[in-house]
Amino acid sequence: GENVEQHPSTLSVQEGDSAVIKCTYSDSASNYFPWYKQELGKGPQLIIDIRSNVGEKKDQRIAVTLNKTAKHFSLHITETQPEDSAVYFCAAKSWNQGGKLIFGQGTELSVKP
Amino acid sequence: KAGVTQTPRYLIKTRGQQVTLSCSPISGHRSVSWYQQTPGQGLQFLFEYFSETQRNKGNFPGRFSGRQFSNSRSEMNVSTLELGDSALYLCASSQDRAKGDEQFFGPGTRLTVL
Repeated sequence: GENVEQHPSTLSVQEGDSAVIKCTYSDSASNYFPWYKQELGKGPQLIIDIRSNVGEKKDQRIAVTLNKTAKHFSLHITETQPEDSAVYFCAAKSWNQGGKLIFGQGTELSVKP
Repeated sequence: KAGVTQTPRYLIKTRGQQVTLSCSPISGHRSVSWYQQTPGQGLQFLFEYFSETQRNKGNFPGRFSGRQFSNSRSEMNVSTLELGDSALYLCASSQDRAKGDEQFFGPGTRLTVL
């Protein structure tokens, strides 16, 4: 079945710097890759996603890239702000497995003012 | 549109008891998925319901069950609670597969088993 590995598990950056979180997946049939942000005491919030027919997608300070050949995708946050501090999860969906989302282990991002 | 709602938000039970959690999806969404979130295991898929039928199931024991009603609201039940069932239980809703992949999560129910 699908397995998603996420790195790093913790990331600390200075306000204004960029942050990059990387994920790899195992199932070549996976075709949808969302990223979620989870703040303390809240459920995960979808922040950006990408489908397998696209290599890159951008939304203001957030971008996601996908390399299907290498089976990895990354989240890029530019000009980080203290409110970006949260746990970020990547996920992959494969219709070969009934369409369930398989999540990475999460990255705790801390943005220091 | 209102988001996904889950009740109750917090629950304390003792070993051996059973518990029922409720989830109301976003209006118009027909698919509801449940996840268990723990510090050690991350987000683990429990099951998915669509049009009152279980469409997918994760690797959890039979003590974990669920159902979906005709209005798409869903409940999950855990019987004979164990200490290891303490977790945040998250519900996520999405439209029919043919209409999109996006899943939107509720705030979760924090279950503590003593």
